[in-house]
Amino acid sequence: ETGVTQSPTHLIKTRGQQVTLRCSSQSGHNTVSWYQQALGQGPQFIFQYYREEENGRGNFPPRFSGLQFPNYSSELNVNALELDDSALYLCASSFSRAVYGYTFGSGTRLTVV
Amino acid sequence: QQQVKQSPQSLIVQKGGIPIINCAYENTAFDYFPWYQQFPGKGPALLIAIRPDVSEKKEGRFTISFNKSAKQFSLHIMDSQPGDSATYFCAANFGNEKLTFGTGTRLTIIP
Repeated sequence: ETGVTQSPTHLIKTRGQQVTLRCSSQSGHNTVSWYQQALGQGPQFIFQYYREEENGRGNFPPRFSGLQFPNYSSELNVNALELDDSALYLCASSFSRAVYGYTFGSGTRLTVV
Repeated sequence: QQQVKQSPQSLIVQKGGIPIINCAYENTAFDYFPWYQQFPGKGPALLIAIRPDVSEKKEGRFTISFNKSAKQFSLHIMDSQPGDSATYFCAANFGNEKLTFGTGTRLTIIP
């Protein structure tokens, strides 16, 4: 199967709750990067996972955490949700940490109420 | 500070016209400059990219112009079509790991 798949597509959570978003990498890709895209803004880098280890992190608090699995799929976990966490969360897969090979998924739209 | 500034915020062009979107960056270490196209409900898709050793790159109807001394680059869309209506993002990178994106330009091509 080709392409990056994200689930769920939409999610509504209450402030203070926890959420887990999932990403299935494109075939042959071993790196997953997560981005947050607020409404009307460009994507902001959250972190990257390569070989199941966090390889880099943007300016996001520790309540944003992730995992990468041996099959290169990934999860983004957000604890203690805040209203400002409402955004489109994008996953991008690539090969060997490269950004020029990025393939983005369609994202998960998270709404925190 | 790693920033990429993009303008205009929105752009309306008649079919067949040439929309131009501009970006400026601060970090001279950036060495990869892609443009992404995003349709509503979809993730960004790579359109075209350039490295700083080249002043211009064309792929089909899309052209990037790059001015290293001014730290600016721009996207031109030739013979624009209504199907080009989307949000366009410039971005920049050095050393892999992450892309730094501009704030986006919402382009509308009217028939």
